[in-house]
Amino acid sequence: EAQVTQNPRYLITVTGKKLTVTCSQNMNHEYMSWYRQDPGLGLRQIYYSMNVEVTDKGDVPEGYKVSRKEKRNFPLILESPSPNQTSLYFCASSLGGGQNEQYFGPGTRLTVT
Amino acid sequence: QKEVEQNSGPLSVPEGAIASLNCTYSDRGSQSFFWYRQYSGKSPELIMFIYSNGDKEDGRFTAQLNKASQYVSLLIRDSQPSDSATYLCAVNAGGYQKVTFGTGTKLQVIP
Repeated sequence: EAQVTQNPRYLITVTGKKLTVTCSQNMNHEYMSWYRQDPGLGLRQIYYSMNVEVTDKGDVPEGYKVSRKEKRNFPLILESPSPNQTSLYFCASSLGGGQNEQYFGPGTRLTVT
Repeated sequence: QKEVEQNSGPLSVPEGAIASLNCTYSDRGSQSFFWYRQYSGKSPELIMFIYSNGDKEDGRFTAQLNKASQYVSLLIRDSQPSDSATYLCAVNAGGYQKVTFGTGTKLQVIP
């Protein structure tokens, strides 16, 4: 089954404790992206990647890191999480870039206390 | 000014009516336009995409694009209670560039 998977689905952590949210797709998509969704602010792009080892900042990259060492994986790293990073996070992928349909993972609800 | 603007709603329509959802964007270089539907607690899923000026129809859904006015809309004919969701407009400047979403319009279809 073609899909985007994210882990964990739910995470509660404390300020400053490094964490990684994994994202994997099995569709051989070149383009992968991370979004956060907050009430009243909608989906905002954090980082995106055009292919292996090629990433670029979205609209809200501060406090986040990403890496793309393999085509299928695009982890999101929070080196020192803060409460303002409490949010719902979505990973997405598409074939050939942002001009094509994006397939979204199920989401990761992160709470930073 | 937000890059992609949508009325947050809620937009309430009776079952069987036409729902009209609107979106404006600020980047004149935008090339790709998408409508995603998101049910509460779920991830977004694509409803329609449109690249050229004019109308594009798919079943009960019609996307309309007017690049001169920087305006894209989604019409849902014969609205059903199952259409009740938040509809997200997304815009891309082409190629491997970022995608910008609007904040979404919540649609309620009243039986």
